[in-house]
Amino acid sequence: SQQGEEDPQALSIQEGENATMNCSYKTSINNLQWYRQNSGRGLVHLILIRSNEREKHSGRLRVTLDTSKKSSSLLITASRAADTASYFCATGGSNYQLIWGAGTKLIIKP
Amino acid sequence: GAVVSQHPSWVICKSGTSVKIECRSLDFQATTMFWYRQFPKQSLMLMATSNEGSKATYEQGVEKDKFLINHASLTLSTLTVTSAHPEDSSFYICSARTGTGSLDEQYFGPGTRLTVT
Repeated sequence: SQQGEEDPQALSIQEGENATMNCSYKTSINNLQWYRQNSGRGLVHLILIRSNEREKHSGRLRVTLDTSKKSSSLLITASRAADTASYFCATGGSNYQLIWGAGTKLIIKP
Repeated sequence: GAVVSQHPSWVICKSGTSVKIECRSLDFQATTMFWYRQFPKQSLMLMATSNEGSKATYEQGVEKDKFLINHASLTLSTLTVTSAHPEDSSFYICSARTGTGSLDEQYFGPGTRLTVT
């Protein structure tokens, strides 16, 4: 089942620019995770933020979580061509299942 | 650590045949494994949750007699697509959780692309 929306559906930016993707969800969560998927490939776990955290950093990635608005954002700074991929958010609840957003397709133009 | 493999990586089969996809946790014991399917340009859809030694729990709308899941050991789960049809063509992904350490971590396999002709 899908939890909610991700926006934008697709995003194309120039290399070096920052990319921001948003994720909204509907139910209460224990955590929210972001994944990357290159075309036709498996998923790469990027970052996990727990429900009691508001912001988390990992390299060029910054994730925020606003539980009052039931939303999260993923910021990729200084984008590179290799960042071209689809990005998914997934929410984790008490039953360990992940519920996935629809994904954002990010294209970085060299 | 925490590597999950899937076999095969891709498979093409004829309509009406059955296909088995394996999901293995290589360096940890997986108490729970999840099976997803993903259509082109779409998100992952959870098909079923399987715990070692017990019957899988299927999501609404997933036919348990068509998608047979066996989780016979702590390192192996199999998904068998029975009497496959072209509409079963999809990307199938498994994930596994250890049940220890971080309860929130799932480790994903690289996926299996099934094409039914």
